[in-house]
Amino acid sequence: KAGVTQTPRYLIKTRGQQVTLSCSPISGHRSVSWYQQTPGQGLQFLFEYFSETQRNKGNFPGRFSGRQFSNSRSEMNVSTLELGDSALYLCASSLERAGANVLTFGAGSRLTVL
Amino acid sequence: KNQVEQSPQSLIILEGKNCTLQCNYTVSPFSNLRWYKQDTGRGPVSLTIMTFSENTKSNGRYTATLDADTKQSSLHITASQLSDSASYICVVSLPGAGSYQLTFGKGTKLSVIP
Repeated sequence: KAGVTQTPRYLIKTRGQQVTLSCSPISGHRSVSWYQQTPGQGLQFLFEYFSETQRNKGNFPGRFSGRQFSNSRSEMNVSTLELGDSALYLCASSLERAGANVLTFGAGSRLTVL
Repeated sequence: KNQVEQSPQSLIILEGKNCTLQCNYTVSPFSNLRWYKQDTGRGPVSLTIMTFSENTKSNGRYTATLDADTKQSSLHITASQLSDSASYICVVSLPGAGSYQLTFGKGTKLSVIP
């Protein structure tokens, strides 16, 4: 059974650019949630998608957005990149909503903003 | 404000020794408490998940305990191995379904040395 797949694994961008990250959940999982992880802040919730609808959004600016497709694959986009956006971006999938279910995380996309 | 505090921040132990990691939380009420293991450069992997009515759960050499009265949890690792070197993250879930309900600790970084 394939795990959660995130692409790309590593990327380098410059300030002002935009980036799109992709997440393919475990087959049959309907919930995909996204997190930003930095050494100082730990894991911080970005947003959760369930059945193609954004269910919750964390305390991040509008430059961070996402969507979920009918096959449950999800993308997140960060526009007008800032140096502080450098982080490991993790997505996680679960059968149903994440609060009551075990999350399975992908390996993450490491974003470096220069 | 709901918080999850983990201690120590980092820990170095000799291979074969036991260790205990602590998690104190102020989240109340809570639905479940989870421990994750995160290897460097990888996504977190679930170790245990306990509801408020459970006070211990084991996964191989990992045993998590929960005291809902004192709002404390611990993760005990027995006969440590080099592969146990990782960050261990405590996550507390509020009642509710969404990822927004999850509060993450900043983790304890464990190094097991020969």
